[in-house]
Amino acid sequence: SAVISQKPSRDICQRGTSLTIQCQVDSQVTMMFWYRQQPGQSLTLIATANQGSEATYESGFVIDKFPISRPNLTFSTLTVSNMSPEDSSIYLCSVDSTRGAYNEQFFGPGTRLTVL
Amino acid sequence: GIQVEQSPPDLILQEGANSTLRCNFSDSVNNLQWFHQNPWGQLINLFYIPSGTKQNGRLSATTVATERYSLLYISSSQTTDSGVYFCAGISNTGNQFYFGTGTSLTVIP
Repeated sequence: SAVISQKPSRDICQRGTSLTIQCQVDSQVTMMFWYRQQPGQSLTLIATANQGSEATYESGFVIDKFPISRPNLTFSTLTVSNMSPEDSSIYLCSVDSTRGAYNEQFFGPGTRLTVL
Repeated sequence: GIQVEQSPPDLILQEGANSTLRCNFSDSVNNLQWFHQNPWGQLINLFYIPSGTKQNGRLSATTVATERYSLLYISSSQTTDSGVYFCAGISNTGNQFYFGTGTSLTVIP
């Protein structure tokens, strides 16, 4: 399995500001994923981050709002830009742990964001 | 995209009771997993179960891939089982991991 850490674990931010969330994995992985979980909802994929290329964003998410960096095979950042109260959510990163035919996903502990 | 429906959406159990949670997929998926999200938001991997049956302590899971559903059994429930249970899988045509709607479980002493 993969061990994933995220920083910060939680934050309270003012409207109009930006927050960068860090995700660190204990092993090299090809793809890292960023999810958003709005209050009381399921998880929604924001984007897939590959090392050395632009992130691939899902419908409804744009790079200007959620810029992503992937400088190496163990680290990624997600920035939530120009925040509004609607951005209050848990943000989670995840990775695939591929072992032969297995392709199991593991998640970080999440970043709980509140925007005032 | 794939629709993933879970039932029931909410469940309240007395400690010691058993329960069955269901996950239905609108299309075939690979790499089906079950997760438990604790009250702090952490997603805990319960089972990787693309097909067949697995057991881990008081929990077991069964996936019938040909009929596009999976079941999670919780026996002798404990208050620490409270939280939200999600199933998820990857479509046959891509890499996206589709999450279910979730079942919120509350176990009362």
